[in-house]
Amino acid sequence: SYELTQPPSVSVSPGQTARITCSGDALSKQYAYWYQQKPGQAPVLMISKDSERPSGIPERFSGSSSGTTVTLTISAVQAEDEGDYYCQSADSSGTWVFGGGTKLTVL
Amino acid sequence: EVQLVESGGGLVQPGGSLRLSCAASGFSFSSYWMSWVRQAPGKGLEWVANIKQNGSEKYYVDSVKGRFTISRDNAKNSLYLQMNRLRDEDTAVYFCARDGGVAVGTNYYYYGMDVWGQGTTVTVSS
Repeated sequence: SYELTQPPSVSVSPGQTARITCSGDALSKQYAYWYQQKPGQAPVLMISKDSERPSGIPERFSGSSSGTTVTLTISAVQAEDEGDYYCQSADSSGTWVFGGGTKLTVL
Repeated sequence: EVQLVESGGGLVQPGGSLRLSCAASGFSFSSYWMSWVRQAPGKGLEWVANIKQNGSEKYYVDSVKGRFTISRDNAKNSLYLQMNRLRDEDTAVYFCARDGGVAVGTNYYYYGMDVWGQGTTVTVSS
C-alpha cells in the first residue's frame, strides 16, 4: 500500500524556522495537503495543493514541492505552533492517504 | 456557522456493529464530497472512506472494505458510517470531514479537508 513518510519529530526554538518533510512516490504527480492537530482537537487544514494557504492561516506557514518530497515550512515559529502535523495525498487509485505525522516541539 | 457534529460512538464487543452519524449545517451539504477519518489512541490520522455528492461513488481504505459502508442523506444533511464485524483495531476517534472542493461540470477541484467535526469515540472491546 502507498505510504507517505514524515519524520516523527522536529524541534525548534521560538523565532526559528521549522521544516517538516513528507515523501512519497506519487507526490511528483499528486498534490499534498497539510494539517495541524493539537491535543484533543480536530485537525485544521494549513496548506492546500502543495503551497496554497487557506483563508485565516498565518503567513508564516508555507508549503513547497520538489520531486517526490513536499515540505511544510513554519517561519518565526511561535509556541502556539506546537502540535502534530500531517501530510495527505492521493494514492494511485485516487483514495486518500495520510502521512504518519510529525510532532513539532517548540523548545 | 459551518459545522459538523458526529454521534453514535460507544463501546461495542468484537464482531458487533455500530452506526455513526454526522450532522452538517451552515453549508450546502449536497455540493460536497464527504469523508470519514479515524485516529486510534496515540496514533496518527487514517482516512477511512469517502462519498460523492450524490452518493454514486464510494471509496474505502482496504482494512474496512466489506465491513464498513458509508452513506449520506442529502435531505437530512447527514453522513453515516455503518460499521459491521468490528475488530479491536477499529478502536479510534472517528471524525467526519468535508472534502472541500469546487464542482465544475463533471470535475471536482479538491482543496483539502477544510471542515472537521469534533469526533466520536468508538471502543471495540470485550
